[in-house]
Amino acid sequence: KNEVEQSPQNLTAQEGEFITINCSYSVGISALHWLQQHPGGGIVSLFMLSSGKKKHGRLIATINIQEKHSSLHITASHPRDSAVYICAVIQGAQKLVFGQGTRLTINP
Amino acid sequence: GAGVSQSPRYKVAKRGQDVALRCDPISGHVSLFWYQQALGQGPEFLTYFQNEAQLDKSGLPSDRFFAERPEGSVSTLKIQRTQQEDSAVYLCASTTGFNQPQHFGDGTRLSIL
Repeated sequence: KNEVEQSPQNLTAQEGEFITINCSYSVGISALHWLQQHPGGGIVSLFMLSSGKKKHGRLIATINIQEKHSSLHITASHPRDSAVYICAVIQGAQKLVFGQGTRLTINP
Repeated sequence: GAGVSQSPRYKVAKRGQDVALRCDPISGHVSLFWYQQALGQGPEFLTYFQNEAQLDKSGLPSDRFFAERPEGSVSTLKIQRTQQEDSAVYLCASTTGFNQPQHFGDGTRLSIL
């Protein structure tokens, strides 16, 4: 069993829908990243959080440390949101342990 | 540019050849990480530097993999006697310090024929 599990692995939705991607982890962490990866490899950090909730534009990330669970929400989804979303936890000093990613496709 | 720069962007090599992948971190970033991402998978940790010191190399898959950062800035990941299973995207990231967001390069896509 992976230390970081994401669900779903693939998600297809229509433009405008509310999107939720889930991340569960089984190890102690100091913080959690949500990352976005577009085709071609480039990774962008969307959020880093260790408690509560953060919001940036149409993106919202929440974390429950007691339940070892985090969610990424996208409101009013748009085709340009199509990408792979990766959850990664910070273990120890700074090492990231990644989930396998969720491939999101938003159809117009 | 201001971001993490990796070169080459793509590398094709024949099995058995040695390859060297370069990472230019953001200026002033103390910590530098190398990750390996196989097709369709999430990245996996390879090694980590703080300045010139390699503090963790537990993720290097074999002794064919070697990384260095001699002056605490640019880093090179070298793979000797490449094998087909080494084919992957190699990602570099840098950060200012503990529990700070990591900034990623675009990666080097390595294909071993």
